[in-house]
Amino acid sequence: DVKVTQSSRYLVKRTGEKVFLECVQDMDHENMFWYRQDPGLGLRLIYFSYDVKMKEKGDIPEGYSVSREKKERFSLILESASTNQTSMYLCVTGQLNQPQHFGDGTRLSIL
Amino acid sequence: GQQLNQSPQSMFIQEGEDVSMNCTSSSIFNTWLWYKQDPGEGPVLLIALYKAGELTSNGRLTAQFGITRKDSFLNISASIPSDVGIYFCAGQLRGGSEKLVFGKGTKLTVNP
Repeated sequence: DVKVTQSSRYLVKRTGEKVFLECVQDMDHENMFWYRQDPGLGLRLIYFSYDVKMKEKGDIPEGYSVSREKKERFSLILESASTNQTSMYLCVTGQLNQPQHFGDGTRLSIL
Repeated sequence: GQQLNQSPQSMFIQEGEDVSMNCTSSSIFNTWLWYKQDPGEGPVLLIALYKAGELTSNGRLTAQFGITRKDSFLNISASIPSDVGIYFCAGQLRGGSEKLVFGKGTKLTVNP
């Protein structure tokens, strides 16, 4: 069974804090993605990675960075959290010609 | 970024009714995926389609990959209360990367 684990289900942080969201997968997938999900806006791609130490910007990378030091782990970093980054964050992993799988999500609130 | 046109946005139905929703795109896709998201959870894969014209079932769910490669539909037969949730379509562009393009979702409410 596919297992995509996000480190926190719920997280509350303050404006200006540096925030780390972690995602770990156990399927040896090469591809990992971070999305945010907001009402009325759907799922928007923040960053993705096709390999260790490789990263590419998605559609809305501003205010975020990522780290992929190991194949199984993809971290999303909010350099200086702002209230407009309050959202549901979803990690996705996949492999060529295989369906992609989501983690359970992290609901992040920035106060 | 690109998004798929998913309709309807929401549906309110009675238990036992059949449901149909669809996604369309102006681009050709290699793969169509359908996900369901329960409140507060991440989307869960329901059906994956890899070939134009392919019709695939998963229990009461049936999905088809359109012949033109630009659309897909999902049908749910004999709906039950636990079918409640948001259903998303997603596609991978032909010749593109592994990134998925998503629809905005169809919110399904089933009245017992």
